[in-house]
This record gives sequence, structure tokens and C-alpha cells, in this order.
Amino acid sequence: AQSVTQLDSHVSVSEGTPVLLRCNYSSSYSPSLFWYVQHPNKGLQLLLKYTSAATLVKGINGFEAEFKKSETSFHLTKPSAHMSDAAEYFCVGPAGNKLTFGGGTRVLVKP
Amino acid sequence: SQTIHQWPATLVQPVGSPLSLECTVEGTSNPNLYWYRQAAGRGLQLLFYSVGIGQISSEVPQNLSASRPQDRQFILSSKKLLLSDSGFYLCAWRSMAWNTEAFFGQGTRLTVV
Repeated sequence: AQSVTQLDSHVSVSEGTPVLLRCNYSSSYSPSLFWYVQHPNKGLQLLLKYTSAATLVKGINGFEAEFKKSETSFHLTKPSAHMSDAAEYFCVGPAGNKLTFGGGTRVLVKP
Repeated sequence: SQTIHQWPATLVQPVGSPLSLECTVEGTSNPNLYWYRQAAGRGLQLLFYSVGIGQISSEVPQNLSASRPQDRQFILSSKKLLLSDSGFYLCAWRSMAWNTEAFFGQGTRLTVV
């Protein structure tokens, strides 16, 4: 079964600096993977998805992620953080009828 | 396009009272439907999922139940709420196609007092 691990529970960045959120997966097959963002008291919003096409995936709000099979990673990046990026981020993979979630990374953006 | 509606947005209920949260999906047929709970500062816990009308899979033994009376309607219920039922409840849907993403409702903040 697929598992997903987010390597950082909290990330703190200054506004205007790059953001890196790390996600590793464990799967015996080429998976689909997704990144979601959750602002306080809101539902999860899909940022981007990898579905075995291009390994570099561009999403909304300037985020992108690169699928690296050799490293079993799917890290999320953004070149310049904005205050509105402060939120919790989840790396997610499908697991049959269900989804498997990483533990989440809470991003703090300092002015 | 597909949309998902979840209500109410917030709810304060006394201990021992009943609960009914409703979720409906528009613009798709035969979706997989899910109820998750998120405790404060915690990740998402899958409570129930459904692959069809009347088909409910329970992931965690608890004080809650779910029903799917129509293809695009998913209801979360309790006969008697406990303090521990407080949390943020999220409904979601996915296509039945392989390896697809899920789409989430806006959530219900339930506080049991």
C-alpha cells in the first residue's frame, strides 16, 4: 500500500523568500500524488497533481512540485512566499478507494 | 463543473443532543463520498466512505453513523453527541476512476458543550 510522509511539521519563511515543503512517498508502482492547502477553518484546496505525465507540475498561486522517482519525492516549492501562503499543506496519495495523507506542514510567513 | 456543498458551517450542540450534517455534490454521477474529522492541530481522520447508494464503510468505531440515501448525498449523524465529537468535519468526493484527486467541502466546525 502507498504511504506518504511529510518531513517537516512546521516551516517558517520570510515574505519574499523561497518555500520548500518536503514529501516522500512509498509505493510499489508509479503513483498519483497531490498537494493540498488548508487555510484556518476552511476545506482543503487542490494546489496541484501529478498523474504520471510531466514530472514538473505547475499549480495554482505560483506553486510547483517535481516528481523524482529515484528519490521517491514530490517536494512542493514556491520561489517567493506571500503572507497569504500561511496555511497548512498536505501531501496526499490515492490508496484504492481511499486517500493516504501526510501529516501536514504548517507554514508560517514572517513579514 | 462539479461543486460540493456542506452545511452548516458552524454548529454548537449540547452533550446528548442529536447531529445531522449534510453534504451534496453537483455535476457528477456515482462519486465516491467521504467524511473526515480533523481535531485541533491534527491531521485528517477518515470516518466513513461510500462507493454507492446505501454502501457505507466505517473506518473508526465511534458514536457516529453515515448514510447515503441518494447518489450525491452523504449524511453524517449521531443520536447522542459526546464532548469528544467536537472537531472540524469535512466532506469530500472523488471520481471512481483510478488515481484521482478528491474535492473537499468547506467544512463544519462542531463544538459540543
